[in-house]
Amino acid sequence: DAGITQSPRHKVTETGTPVTLRCHQTENHRYMYWYRQDPGHGLRLIHYSYGVKDTDKGEVSDGYSVSRSKTEDFLLTLESATSSQTSVYFCAISEGVTNQPQHFGDGTRLSIL
Amino acid sequence: GENVEQHPSTLSVQEGDSAVIKCTYSDSASNYFPWYKQELGKGPQLIIDIRSNVGEKKDQRIAVTLNKTAKHFSLHITETQPEDSAVYFCAAPRGNDMRFGAGTRLTVKP
Repeated sequence: DAGITQSPRHKVTETGTPVTLRCHQTENHRYMYWYRQDPGHGLRLIHYSYGVKDTDKGEVSDGYSVSRSKTEDFLLTLESATSSQTSVYFCAISEGVTNQPQHFGDGTRLSIL
Repeated sequence: GENVEQHPSTLSVQEGDSAVIKCTYSDSASNYFPWYKQELGKGPQLIIDIRSNVGEKKDQRIAVTLNKTAKHFSLHITETQPEDSAVYFCAAPRGNDMRFGAGTRLTVKP
């Protein structure tokens, strides 16, 4: 299994609070991604990173920000959580953007009440 | 939303039968097509992938076929076993990112 650790694995919080999810990799892959998974929608890209301090928006980026200060860590922040952001969040890594496989962590289940 | 359409959304087969899942993509420049298996409480795991310079790839009981003209690709699982029960996702590149199908829940009945 690819060395990807997501933390926390579960979190319950209240609307309006800030939330930060962490993804840590030990594979030294250049690309890192944050997805959300909701029933009937598959996996939707939130943001991705193509290097330290280099990030770009994905399909569903509104309400989310990211940071990557080290190769191994990619943080996803919900500045002011809303109930619509209740979801399962997956981090993925890859050596290439569209021609290499992505390897996924085991996810963070986030509930916003 | 997805630019990859995946069918069927659910599939139930008897143990030993074959299962086929089909995906259609929109970007004719796409050249890499992975398939993932996701078990409950886990992240998706890559099970097989194919590049656009080949039409078929096999790995034991699983195979993927690609029709670039029609822009569709399919996952074939033969001699299904109960442990094949999971959700399967296809993916295809679109621009600078990968787009995923909505998933197929496969149930293999003993």
